[in-house]
Amino acid sequence: QKEVEQNSGPLSVPEGAIASLNCTYSDRGSQSFFWYRQYSGKSPELIMSIYSNGDKEDGRFTAQLNKASQYVSLLIRDSQPSDSATYLCAGGVKPGGGNKLTFGTGTQLKVEL
Amino acid sequence: KAGVTQTPRYLIKTRGQQVTLSCSPISGHRSVSWYQQTPGQGLQFLFEYFSETQRNKGNFPGRFSGRQFSNSRSEMNVSTLELGDSALYLCASRLGVNTGELFFGEGSRLTVL
Repeated sequence: QKEVEQNSGPLSVPEGAIASLNCTYSDRGSQSFFWYRQYSGKSPELIMSIYSNGDKEDGRFTAQLNKASQYVSLLIRDSQPSDSATYLCAGGVKPGGGNKLTFGTGTQLKVEL
Repeated sequence: KAGVTQTPRYLIKTRGQQVTLSCSPISGHRSVSWYQQTPGQGLQFLFEYFSETQRNKGNFPGRFSGRQFSNSRSEMNVSTLELGDSALYLCASRLGVNTGELFFGEGSRLTVL
């Protein structure tokens, strides 16, 4: 079982809709979570981080964390074609050697006109 | 502020050869991590360096090694290349090992023939 799991997609949503991306993790020691966006042929770009249970909003993006259910999600409101990319979820644990991040394999999002 | 810089961007090697990749972190960032990205496995953690010391290590064979210099620049080396080493190698920097947010370079795409 992978430590961080994501549905690979593709997830297709119409322009203007809400895109919901989900991620589960197995290590209960995970304390920090991150969402990265990766356009085809480009490197991952950090878009959100979340450390506490609940919601965190930044513009059109909302990250949600539920540590009891070991579940992290990213909501993208008013989806735009430019949001079409692969979204990577990462969880961080601190095994004594610092905050080690483990990435999921990513969910491909397609926003259709 | 300059981002993470990786060189070379593209390279082609043959089986059995070795390769050295270079990474210059964001100014002020003292931690450098290396990841291998392939379509099937996603982002796989190789190792992380901080203050010239390896702080975390992933599950890769000893053919994969790295080092960090006093100016925080890092190199990774892969010896005795195998076809399966063909991948995008990403370097990421962050302020310190206990911070979460990683900032990625554009990557070095290695093709092994």
